[in-house]
Amino acid sequence: EIVLTQSPATLSLSPGERATLSCRASQSISSFVAWYQQKPGQAPRLLIYDASNRATGIPARFSGSGSGTDFTLTISSLEPEDFAVYYCQHRYNWPPLTFGGGTKVEIK
Amino acid sequence: QVQLVESGRGVVQPGRSLRLSCAASGFTFSNYGMHWVRQAPGKGLEWVAVIWYDGNNKYYADSVKGRFTISRDNSKNTLYLQMNSLRVEDTAVYYCARDLDRYDSRGWFDPWGQGTLVTVSS
Repeated sequence: EIVLTQSPATLSLSPGERATLSCRASQSISSFVAWYQQKPGQAPRLLIYDASNRATGIPARFSGSGSGTDFTLTISSLEPEDFAVYYCQHRYNWPPLTFGGGTKVEIK
Repeated sequence: QVQLVESGRGVVQPGRSLRLSCAASGFTFSNYGMHWVRQAPGKGLEWVAVIWYDGNNKYYADSVKGRFTISRDNSKNTLYLQMNSLRVEDTAVYYCARDLDRYDSRGWFDPWGQGTLVTVSS
């Protein structure tokens, strides 16, 4: 089973700063990665799929990149509503579908 | 707009059964694969099961295989998860989620329901 490792576990930043979140796969998974945002008490929301495609309605400040084993979610300038937990997920040779452990972006 | 509403939350004893439902609206339910994803309290996300748009293919996580059954009724726009032989470690919020694309289940979840809490405890 493919393992996704997200880093850092917690990212402390101020509004307006740039956030860079990492997701590393235990083996090459091409570009089959998605990113989700989850706020407390809410369901996750799809942000990025196929490594770099923004989902419908997702602001342009969210971008994804990477292929193979290393992937990045970048938030170019943090808005107050962006402080949340972010999960990466793969779909390479599924099932199963697996998620990373998450990165919490908190206000510094 | 697209809406997914789960129901069937409850507290059950280990070894007992529970059925969850997910009512879909705002889209052509019969055109999309559907998933269940769960989240234990304070933990991350775990994919549970998928069912193809026509019900012909079903796949499960190893942790629930043989105990859980995913099904759908396209005439009622409803997804189900029958959970048998429940364990304490099945305690979680259970989300239903639509696959991103029609017909071809690509394994991306969009959108998600609000979730329903299942607690397994003696």
